[in-house]
Amino acid sequence: DARVTQTPRHKVTEMGQEVTMRCQPILGHNTVFWYRQTMMQGLELLAYFRNRAPLDDSGMPKDRFSAEMPDATLATLKIQPSEPRDSAVYFCASGLNSGSHQPQHFGDGTRLSIL
Amino acid sequence: AQTVTQSQPEMSVQEAETVTLSCTYDTSESDYYLFWYKQPPSRQMILVIRQEAYKQQNATENRFSVNFQKAAKSFSLKISDSQLGDAAMYFCAYRSARTSGSRLTFGEGTQLTVNP
Repeated sequence: DARVTQTPRHKVTEMGQEVTMRCQPILGHNTVFWYRQTMMQGLELLAYFRNRAPLDDSGMPKDRFSAEMPDATLATLKIQPSEPRDSAVYFCASGLNSGSHQPQHFGDGTRLSIL
Repeated sequence: AQTVTQSQPEMSVQEAETVTLSCTYDTSESDYYLFWYKQPPSRQMILVIRQEAYKQQNATENRFSVNFQKAAKSFSLKISDSQLGDAAMYFCAYRSARTSGSRLTFGEGTQLTVNP
């Protein structure tokens, strides 16, 4: 089965450090999503791309977060500088086409802990 | 903006019994999709079942079925013959059919426990 691959699975670092999370979408999928999951806020969308172009990043704190797709096989989410409140599980998901009944397929997530 | 509400933070069921998880949503759109995702302790987000709003027939996937009430904006998940492996957090999610509205909006989740 094709899967969305996220690295790293776990990341522990000190506040102020740069964090980079990577996602390899399923081959052929043209939409990529970044979600953040916390106990307090649940699952919330940070950003999403269609055909590598950012379509919506309104859920992302712009001052410290950035999301990019250097090519169709890689999406990155960076936090610089990181803060303890960024501790969460970050999911990447990919899918086929916008406005489609096709489901989004999720990666296993990156559990981020900022000390 | 669309919202999704799961009013049951926790549910439990005996193995082999049936359980229904509730979900309501609010939207002004007429065309959309609804999903149930399962998140076991492994943290994976696994699609359980989906429903297109334009379809009147309720979706079914093996032991999982939904009761989709469009007028009431209700989308409950029924799990029949519950198994220990069904224990997980279940999320209801909404997705617009507009091309600009591809994000999933999730409910708060329902933690399902299956008792042997």
